Amino acid sequence: NAGVTQTPKFQVLKTGQSMTLQCAQDMNHEYMSWYRQDPGMGLRLIHYSVGAGITDQGEVPNGYNVSRSTTEDFPLRLLSAAPSQTSVYFCASTWALTGTNYGYTFGSGTRLTVV
Amino acid sequence: GENVEQHPSTLSVQEGDSAVIKCTYSDSASNYFPWYKQELGKGPQLIIDIRSNVGEKKDQRIAVTLNKTAKHFSLHITETQPEDSAVYFCAAAGANSKLTFGKGITLSVRP
Repeated sequence: NAGVTQTPKFQVLKTGQSMTLQCAQDMNHEYMSWYRQDPGMGLRLIHYSVGAGITDQGEVPNGYNVSRSTTEDFPLRLLSAAPSQTSVYFCASTWALTGTNYGYTFGSGTRLTVV
Repeated sequence: GENVEQHPSTLSVQEGDSAVIKCTYSDSASNYFPWYKQELGKGPQLIIDIRSNVGEKKDQRIAVTLNKTAKHFSLHITETQPEDSAVYFCAAAGANSKLTFGKGITLSVRP
């Protein structure tokens, strides 16, 4: 049981390049989300999904796209990388039963540097 | 939307002492309040959570208290150990499972 798996762990991009951060979970969780972590800013929600085929924007969605074609996978795409997107990115998942919350399981993170 | 504030931003305690970390939230509809511990180079890990129908919850050396009227909740760690040194995040969520996190506090336990 791997939990939430993120790849790659580290990435350096040049300004303007695009890339996809991968996230996969094997717990049959309905709810998946992407956060970015910056010093002094805590964890800020980028996009989230409550199930396959359903996505929505979080607090800081600009410059990022997501899709959810399967329950297991929730990739995050950077369309044209900018230095402001240098951050540590975390994927998280949980069950999502109406009116009930459960703890998130986080991946180990992707450290992205845009030069 | 929800706004979660966490204070102080850093806390240093002597090994064996207690540590208390406080958070406030703004949305009275929030009903779930987890705490996460993040060690260096790792993702946050859930250590304890509390729901709005409970005022206090304990798990060995850690406890969480919730005051819904004042909209604040606190993490209490007793008999602190060096391995408790980490960044701690509080968070709040309503019925949509969307967690809003505080900015985090760095706890240092001095041996």
